[in-house]
Amino acid sequence: AQSVAQPEDQVNVAEGNPLTVKCTYSVSGNPYLFWYVQYPNRGLQFLLKYITGDNLVKGSYGFEAEFNKSQTSFHLKKPSALVSDSALYFCAVSSYNFNKFYFGSGTKLNVKP
Amino acid sequence: SAVISQKPSRDICQRGTSLTIQCQVDSQVTMMFWYRQQPGQSLTLIATANQGSEATYESGFVIDKFPISRPNLTFSTLTVSNMSPEDSSIYLCSGRDRDYNEQFFGPGTRLTVL
Repeated sequence: AQSVAQPEDQVNVAEGNPLTVKCTYSVSGNPYLFWYVQYPNRGLQFLLKYITGDNLVKGSYGFEAEFNKSQTSFHLKKPSALVSDSALYFCAVSSYNFNKFYFGSGTKLNVKP
Repeated sequence: SAVISQKPSRDICQRGTSLTIQCQVDSQVTMMFWYRQQPGQSLTLIATANQGSEATYESGFVIDKFPISRPNLTFSTLTVSNMSPEDSSIYLCSGRDRDYNEQFFGPGTRLTVL
């Protein structure tokens, strides 16, 4: 069965500091991993994905994520946080045919000026 | 990437009534999905809307309560029937094209049942 876990309900970081939002996964087969962001009263926006290839994936708005097979993790990172990055972040894992996504519980990111 | 719109964006409904939510994609997509989300919480998949055939429902969701239509590759509707306050939630539509692995989401419909 496919699942992801986001161990932190909330992450607080000061503007300009690096941020990390954690995600671990459990899959049978190859992992297909995604990050989405949700701003208040909005739908989810795709940030980045790992399907195969380079373990460091770069995405939108300066975000990147590192796929670590040995630790079964796919943490989202950004070198310098902005107040506008404050939002709800979801990690997701897909079925082999991308027809079903399993979302984590979400992590609220608060970036303070 | 596809752009998805939903109507209505929000509604307040009375117990026992039904609401139909529309989802429109600006391009043809292979798959369309309906999710439910409590504010600030994770997403729960309700069903996969199949073009030209009956939707595929997840455990805990039934067609009588959440009938779904998908008449073509760009449009789908979800009806929330015989509503109760427990149906108050955000309902999200998403689509996936065969050329992309990721899903694209609509802005959601915020439903409040009194």
